Amino acid sequence: ETGVTQTPRHLVMGMTNKKSLKCEQHLGHNAMYWYKQSAKKPLELMFVYNFKEQTENNSVPSRFSPECPNSSHLFLHLHTLQPEDSALYLCASSPLRGHEQYFGPGTRLTVT
Amino acid sequence: AQSVAQPEDQVNVAEGNPLTVKCTYSVSGNPYLFWYVQYPNRGLQFLLKYITGDNLVKGSYGFEAEFNKSQTSFHLKKPSALVSDSALYFCAVREPDSNSGYALNFGKGTSLLVTP
Repeated sequence: ETGVTQTPRHLVMGMTNKKSLKCEQHLGHNAMYWYKQSAKKPLELMFVYNFKEQTENNSVPSRFSPECPNSSHLFLHLHTLQPEDSALYLCASSPLRGHEQYFGPGTRLTVT
Repeated sequence: AQSVAQPEDQVNVAEGNPLTVKCTYSVSGNPYLFWYVQYPNRGLQFLLKYITGDNLVKGSYGFEAEFNKSQTSFHLKKPSALVSDSALYFCAVREPDSNSGYALNFGKGTSLLVTP
């Protein structure tokens, strides 16, 4: 496995719940990312943080709220999700632009 | 705009035979190109990348890829496939001077099945 960890690995939540996904990287990288992976679809970039500053928000609904308190930690706060939000949520990090990204194992989210 | 296409949803190959997983890209400048592999219930693992230099890039687990600028392709290859190579393979691209920051643009993935 890489130096990127994600918790929890599995999450089942109702549409009215509030939960958070956590990502931590131990690689000293400066950039962190959230991706959504749904079946039969390409990976969808959700958010990009560079040196703790959000640099991209790919038209993600406001029910997804990212937080990056420092360069090593990234959160995705979830509230009032829809069943179509069920997916594998992947966190990644990279040292600088143009370099490969290192992915965590993902959180398998099921919204009931 | 940058994009990448993986024309095959699935590739089947017998163990010991060579394998190729295809990828074509579209960018306005010189691309950075990447291949990743994903095993079931796991995150993506980096295999190899092309930034500049030699068109033939060697990566992890015996994989290699050839950058072909005239055909805008970056096909993944391995001389002799193993059953353990069965997984989902993603090609990714980004433009080095893109205003989209550090993010990669991924293809939809190709499922590789190696049979004994």
